[in-house]
Amino acid sequence: KQEVTQIPAALSVPEGENLVLNCSFTDSAIYNLQWFRQDPGKGLTSLLLIQSSQREQTSGRLNASLDKSSGRSTLYIAASQPGDSATYLCAVRQVTAGNMLTFGGGTRLMVKP
Amino acid sequence: SAVISQKPSRDICQRGTSLTIQCQVDSQVTMMFWYRQQPGQSLTLIATANQGSEATYESGFVIDKFPISRPNLTFSTLTVSNMSPEDSSIYLCSVATGGGYTFGSGTRLTVV
Repeated sequence: KQEVTQIPAALSVPEGENLVLNCSFTDSAIYNLQWFRQDPGKGLTSLLLIQSSQREQTSGRLNASLDKSSGRSTLYIAASQPGDSATYLCAVRQVTAGNMLTFGGGTRLMVKP
Repeated sequence: SAVISQKPSRDICQRGTSLTIQCQVDSQVTMMFWYRQQPGQSLTLIATANQGSEATYESGFVIDKFPISRPNLTFSTLTVSNMSPEDSSIYLCSVATGGGYTFGSGTRLTVV
Protein backbone atom coordinates (compact mmCIF):
# COMPACT_ATOMS: atom_id res chain seq x y z
CA LYS A 1 0.00 0.00 0.00
CA GLN A 2 1.35 3.39 -1.02
CA GLU A 3 2.28 5.73 1.82
CA VAL A 4 3.10 9.40 1.30
CA THR A 5 4.90 11.44 3.94
CA GLN A 6 5.52 15.17 4.02
CA ILE A 7 8.19 16.85 6.09
CA PRO A 8 8.02 19.21 7.87
CA ALA A 9 4.42 19.19 9.04
CA ALA A 10 4.61 22.92 9.73
CA LEU A 11 7.04 25.66 8.81
CA SER A 12 7.28 29.34 9.73
CA VAL A 13 9.71 31.59 7.86
CA PRO A 14 10.30 35.32 7.42
CA GLU A 15 9.32 36.90 4.14
CA GLY A 16 11.94 36.63 1.40
CA GLU A 17 13.39 33.29 2.41
CA ASN A 18 13.83 30.44 -0.04
CA LEU A 19 12.38 27.20 1.29
CA VAL A 20 12.06 23.51 0.48
CA LEU A 21 9.13 21.23 1.23
CA ASN A 22 9.71 17.49 1.13
CA CYS A 23 7.51 14.61 0.02
CA SER A 24 8.42 10.92 0.09
CA PHE A 25 6.51 7.88 -1.14
CA THR A 26 7.02 4.16 -0.59
CA ASP A 27 5.94 2.66 -3.94
CA SER A 28 7.82 3.99 -6.97
CA ALA A 29 5.25 2.61 -9.44
CA ILE A 30 3.63 5.99 -9.92
CA TYR A 31 2.08 7.62 -12.95
CA ASN A 32 2.82 11.15 -11.77
CA LEU A 33 3.11 13.38 -8.71
CA GLN A 34 1.16 16.56 -8.15
CA TRP A 35 1.68 19.44 -5.73
CA PHE A 36 -1.37 21.33 -4.47
CA ARG A 37 -2.00 24.40 -2.37
CA GLN A 38 -4.93 24.57 0.06
CA ASP A 39 -6.06 27.72 1.83
CA PRO A 40 -7.93 27.24 5.14
CA GLY A 41 -11.38 25.71 4.64
CA LYS A 42 -11.02 25.74 0.86
CA GLY A 43 -10.46 23.34 -2.01
CA LEU A 44 -7.19 22.38 -3.66
CA THR A 45 -5.37 24.42 -6.27
CA SER A 46 -2.96 22.51 -8.49
CA LEU A 47 0.54 24.01 -8.52
CA LEU A 48 2.72 21.60 -10.46
CA LEU A 49 2.34 18.20 -12.10
CA ILE A 50 5.40 16.03 -12.71
CA GLN A 51 5.09 12.96 -14.90
CA SER A 52 7.01 9.86 -13.83
CA SER A 53 9.44 10.34 -16.73
CA GLN A 54 10.24 13.94 -15.76
CA ARG A 55 12.79 15.24 -13.28
CA GLU A 56 11.36 18.67 -12.56
CA GLN A 57 8.73 21.26 -13.37
CA THR A 58 8.81 25.02 -12.86
CA SER A 59 6.12 27.65 -12.55
CA GLY A 60 7.12 31.15 -11.56
CA ARG A 61 8.76 31.04 -8.13
CA LEU A 62 7.95 27.35 -7.73
CA ASN A 63 10.12 24.45 -8.76
CA ALA A 64 9.26 20.81 -8.11
CA SER A 65 11.67 17.92 -8.55
CA LEU A 66 11.04 14.21 -8.69
CA ASP A 67 13.41 11.31 -7.99
CA LYS A 68 11.17 8.34 -8.62
CA SER A 69 13.77 5.68 -7.85
CA SER A 70 14.34 7.03 -4.36
CA GLY A 71 10.69 7.90 -3.81
CA ARG A 72 11.21 11.62 -3.23
CA SER A 73 9.96 14.95 -4.44
CA THR A 74 10.74 18.48 -3.31
CA LEU A 75 8.88 21.74 -3.80
CA TYR A 76 11.16 24.75 -3.82
CA ILE A 77 9.62 28.18 -3.21
CA ALA A 78 11.86 31.12 -4.00
CA ALA A 79 11.61 34.51 -2.32
CA SER A 80 8.64 33.56 -0.16
CA GLN A 81 5.80 36.05 0.37
CA PRO A 82 3.03 36.28 3.00
CA GLY A 83 0.57 35.30 0.28
CA ASP A 84 2.32 31.94 0.05
CA SER A 85 0.95 31.04 3.50
CA ALA A 86 -1.18 27.93 3.05
CA THR A 87 -1.03 24.16 3.38
CA TYR A 88 0.91 22.40 0.64
CA LEU A 89 -0.05 18.84 -0.27
CA CYS A 90 1.69 16.35 -2.49
CA ALA A 91 -0.19 13.47 -4.07
CA VAL A 92 0.96 10.52 -6.14
CA ARG A 93 -1.12 8.83 -8.81
CA GLN A 94 -0.69 5.08 -8.84
CA VAL A 95 -0.09 3.08 -12.00
CA THR A 96 -2.29 0.39 -10.51
CA ALA A 97 -5.17 0.66 -8.01
CA GLY A 98 -7.41 2.41 -10.54
CA ASN A 99 -5.10 5.40 -10.89
CA MET A 100 -5.90 6.32 -7.33
CA LEU A 101 -4.44 9.47 -5.76
CA THR A 102 -2.67 9.07 -2.44
CA PHE A 103 -2.06 12.24 -0.44
CA GLY A 104 0.58 13.21 2.05
CA GLY A 105 -0.37 14.83 5.33
CA GLY A 106 0.61 18.29 4.10
CA THR A 107 3.01 21.02 5.19
CA ARG A 108 1.41 24.06 6.81
CA LEU A 109 3.46 27.10 5.77
CA MET A 110 3.38 30.50 7.43
CA VAL A 111 5.37 33.34 5.86
CA LYS A 112 5.71 36.29 8.21
CA PRO A 113 5.97 39.86 6.90
CA SER B 1 -7.83 21.83 -17.42
CA ALA B 2 -11.46 21.36 -16.30
CA VAL B 3 -13.30 23.85 -14.12
CA ILE B 4 -15.50 22.46 -11.35
CA SER B 5 -18.33 24.33 -9.67
CA GLN B 6 -19.12 22.86 -6.25
CA LYS B 7 -22.10 23.84 -4.09
CA PRO B 8 -22.74 24.66 -1.31
CA SER B 9 -19.44 26.14 -0.18
CA ARG B 10 -20.38 25.63 3.46
CA ASP B 11 -23.30 24.60 5.61
CA ILE B 12 -24.22 24.06 9.24
CA CYS B 13 -26.64 21.17 9.72
CA GLN B 14 -28.53 19.53 12.54
CA ARG B 15 -27.61 15.98 13.48
CA GLY B 16 -29.84 13.36 11.92
CA THR B 17 -30.45 15.37 8.75
CA SER B 18 -28.91 14.92 5.27
CA LEU B 19 -27.01 17.26 2.98
CA THR B 20 -26.52 16.91 -0.77
CA ILE B 21 -23.40 18.38 -2.35
CA GLN B 22 -23.30 19.10 -6.07
CA CYS B 23 -20.41 19.26 -8.53
CA GLN B 24 -20.74 20.52 -12.08
CA VAL B 25 -17.82 20.16 -14.51
CA ASP B 26 -17.41 22.32 -17.61
CA SER B 27 -16.43 19.32 -19.75
CA GLN B 28 -17.38 15.67 -20.03
CA VAL B 29 -15.38 13.34 -17.81
CA THR B 30 -15.58 9.61 -17.32
CA MET B 31 -14.83 9.43 -13.61
CA MET B 32 -15.53 11.80 -10.77
CA PHE B 33 -14.05 11.34 -7.31
CA TRP B 34 -15.36 12.32 -3.91
CA TYR B 35 -13.01 13.01 -0.99
CA ARG B 36 -13.39 13.80 2.68
CA GLN B 37 -10.95 15.89 4.67
CA GLN B 38 -11.50 15.70 8.41
CA PRO B 39 -10.23 18.57 10.58
CA GLY B 40 -6.44 18.71 10.56
CA GLN B 41 -6.18 15.66 8.31
CA SER B 42 -5.30 15.00 4.71
CA LEU B 43 -7.74 13.85 2.03
CA THR B 44 -9.36 10.42 2.02
CA LEU B 45 -11.11 9.02 -1.04
CA ILE B 46 -14.76 8.19 -0.38
CA ALA B 47 -15.79 6.81 -3.75
CA THR B 48 -15.36 6.92 -7.51
CA ALA B 49 -18.44 7.77 -9.56
CA ASN B 50 -18.80 6.55 -13.13
CA GLN B 51 -21.67 7.61 -15.33
CA GLY B 52 -24.14 4.81 -15.90
CA SER B 53 -22.97 2.53 -13.13
CA GLU B 54 -22.95 2.40 -9.37
CA ALA B 55 -20.21 4.22 -7.54
CA THR B 56 -17.26 2.28 -6.18
CA TYR B 57 -16.73 2.91 -2.46
CA GLU B 58 -13.45 2.73 -0.57
CA SER B 59 -13.04 0.71 2.58
CA GLY B 60 -14.85 2.32 5.47
CA PHE B 61 -17.45 4.12 3.34
CA VAL B 62 -20.87 2.71 2.48
CA ILE B 63 -23.58 3.65 0.02
CA ASP B 64 -26.29 4.03 2.68
CA LYS B 65 -24.28 6.75 4.41
CA PHE B 66 -22.85 8.43 1.29
CA PRO B 67 -25.17 7.85 -1.67
CA ILE B 68 -23.80 9.20 -4.94
CA SER B 69 -25.56 10.07 -8.17
CA ARG B 70 -23.94 10.47 -11.58
CA PRO B 71 -26.74 11.21 -14.05
CA ASN B 72 -24.45 12.42 -16.86
CA LEU B 73 -20.81 13.05 -17.77
CA THR B 74 -20.66 16.56 -16.29
CA PHE B 75 -22.52 16.28 -12.99
CA SER B 76 -22.47 14.36 -9.72
CA THR B 77 -23.92 14.64 -6.24
CA LEU B 78 -22.80 13.26 -2.89
CA THR B 79 -25.28 13.02 -0.03
CA VAL B 80 -24.14 12.80 3.57
CA SER B 81 -26.99 10.99 5.31
CA ASN B 82 -28.15 10.88 8.93
CA MET B 83 -25.37 13.21 9.93
CA SER B 84 -23.54 13.23 13.24
CA PRO B 85 -20.88 15.66 14.52
CA GLU B 86 -18.22 13.18 13.33
CA ASP B 87 -19.26 13.99 9.76
CA SER B 88 -18.02 17.56 10.16
CA SER B 89 -15.39 17.81 7.42
CA ILE B 90 -14.55 19.38 4.10
CA TYR B 91 -15.95 17.39 1.20
CA LEU B 92 -14.35 17.75 -2.23
CA CYS B 93 -15.05 16.44 -5.70
CA SER B 94 -12.34 15.90 -8.26
CA VAL B 95 -11.82 14.90 -11.87
CA ALA B 96 -8.79 13.66 -13.75
CA THR B 97 -7.73 15.92 -16.62
CA GLY B 98 -4.53 16.12 -18.64
CA GLY B 99 -2.81 13.55 -16.45
CA GLY B 100 -3.40 15.46 -13.25
CA TYR B 101 -6.40 16.12 -11.06
CA THR B 102 -8.61 19.18 -10.65
CA PHE B 103 -10.59 19.78 -7.48
CA GLY B 104 -13.74 21.66 -6.64
CA SER B 105 -13.65 24.49 -4.13
CA GLY B 106 -14.88 22.23 -1.34
CA THR B 107 -17.92 22.10 0.94
CA ARG B 108 -17.22 22.87 4.58
CA LEU B 109 -19.79 20.94 6.62
CA THR B 110 -20.40 21.48 10.32
CA VAL B 111 -22.86 19.20 12.10
CA VAL B 112 -24.28 20.45 15.39
